[in-house]
Amino acid sequence: ETGVTQSPTHLIKTRGQQVTLRCSSQSGHNTVSWYQQALGQGPQFIFQYYREEENGRGNFPPRFSGLQFPNYSSELNVNALELDDSALYLCASTTGGGGINEQFFGPGTRLTVL
Amino acid sequence: GIQVEQSPPDLILQEGANSTLRCNFSDSVNNLQWFHQNPWGQLINLFYIPSGTKQNGRLSATTVATERYSLLYISSSQTTDSGVYFCAVRSSGGYNKLIFGAGTRLAVHP
Repeated sequence: ETGVTQSPTHLIKTRGQQVTLRCSSQSGHNTVSWYQQALGQGPQFIFQYYREEENGRGNFPPRFSGLQFPNYSSELNVNALELDDSALYLCASTTGGGGINEQFFGPGTRLTVL
Repeated sequence: GIQVEQSPPDLILQEGANSTLRCNFSDSVNNLQWFHQNPWGQLINLFYIPSGTKQNGRLSATTVATERYSLLYISSSQTTDSGVYFCAVRSSGGYNKLIFGAGTRLAVHP
């Protein structure tokens, strides 16, 4: 167990809907990153939040957005869902504002878009 | 951007065998982690090893940063070692993100 929690575990949505995924970071960690893992591939970086600000973004469209709260927990929001958004969404927490320190991952949210 | 290549892509072992997984990367890094992803999708931290050698039980890892590769050794493999092993790096001159390789899928048979 890493101490990083995510909710919900599974989610089924239809194309065009919106979804919010949640992540609680490990105690003492102030930086949260989100990754998307399609079936059979490695995780891909979506964005990172540090001190409630976006601190880096991967190659994802603006309909992927996020928030970080004062307690360092985070949300990932995806608007106008597409079939290709079906994936495992992973949250990682660490200390510091970059990616140098060891990162710890939550169990993931499996999103299915029909 | 930095490229991460893992080999072999697939590996089948008999219980008790030893194996070596390799991760090559195309630029200098200041973070390198090895993970084991279990069948439920959880990424389990094995090693944080941007350089040097570490050991944890039957597993050990070595990163030669100057030659841009890392090796993960699994000795006396067990069926519970089955799953996908990922190497992930952060480029020294790059963005605040981990770049993952495509993984090595390991199956250990009794």
